[in-house]
Amino acid sequence: GAGVSQSPSNKVTEKGKDVELRCDPISGHTALYWYRQRLGQGLEFLIYFQGNSAPDKSGLPSDRFSAERTGESVSTLTIQRTQQEDSAVYLCASSLGGTMNTEAFFGQGTRLTVV
Amino acid sequence: GESVGLHLPTLSVQEGDNSIINCAYSNSASDYFIWYKQESGKGPQFIIDIRSNMDKRQGQRVTVLLNKTVKHLSLQIAATQPGDSAVYFCAERGNFGNEKLTFGTGTRLTIIP
Repeated sequence: GAGVSQSPSNKVTEKGKDVELRCDPISGHTALYWYRQRLGQGLEFLIYFQGNSAPDKSGLPSDRFSAERTGESVSTLTIQRTQQEDSAVYLCASSLGGTMNTEAFFGQGTRLTVV
Repeated sequence: GESVGLHLPTLSVQEGDNSIINCAYSNSASDYFIWYKQESGKGPQFIIDIRSNMDKRQGQRVTVLLNKTVKHLSLQIAATQPGDSAVYFCAERGNFGNEKLTFGTGTRLTIIP
């Protein structure tokens, strides 16, 4: 596709259930980012993938959060045993990455509501 | 730095006036900076970028200024329009070993008709 695609666009889940969020980056983009945005707040870094390098997981808030990326394509963010505090919009972005200083393009996000 | 757990500062500007949005970044080794605009219910959209070897860059109605001495970035929007109402974020990116894109707090800009 032409842009970054995220699915689902909305997800309502019960507290304690696991959820999986998907991100399809722009083809050819080696860098991929996940962010969390709570209502009315800024973007909180979660994790960053760059090519075949070890991901930067320094922003993951707890061991309930994990993410994977298949080569330089799709990425999934998994939240286990969801809590109400996990309710937020989860944004994915991709960029050319590496030594290329170019902007990151964002998807529309997945709005997660934990009830 | 990270914009965790912070409520956004706000700025209101009369339509047609110029606006200036400021951002303090955290990493003196950052070498690439971006301004994003985020409208309600949408992902952030690229506005303009600047590399650390520059101190000013102009686009259409927007200008970004970079002051590396005090680690300060600003976005100037000329002749503001109602469609400029949004939240604006600055982002910084380091070089090798620190390449993640880190966002500032964000500023909510409201254009008053």
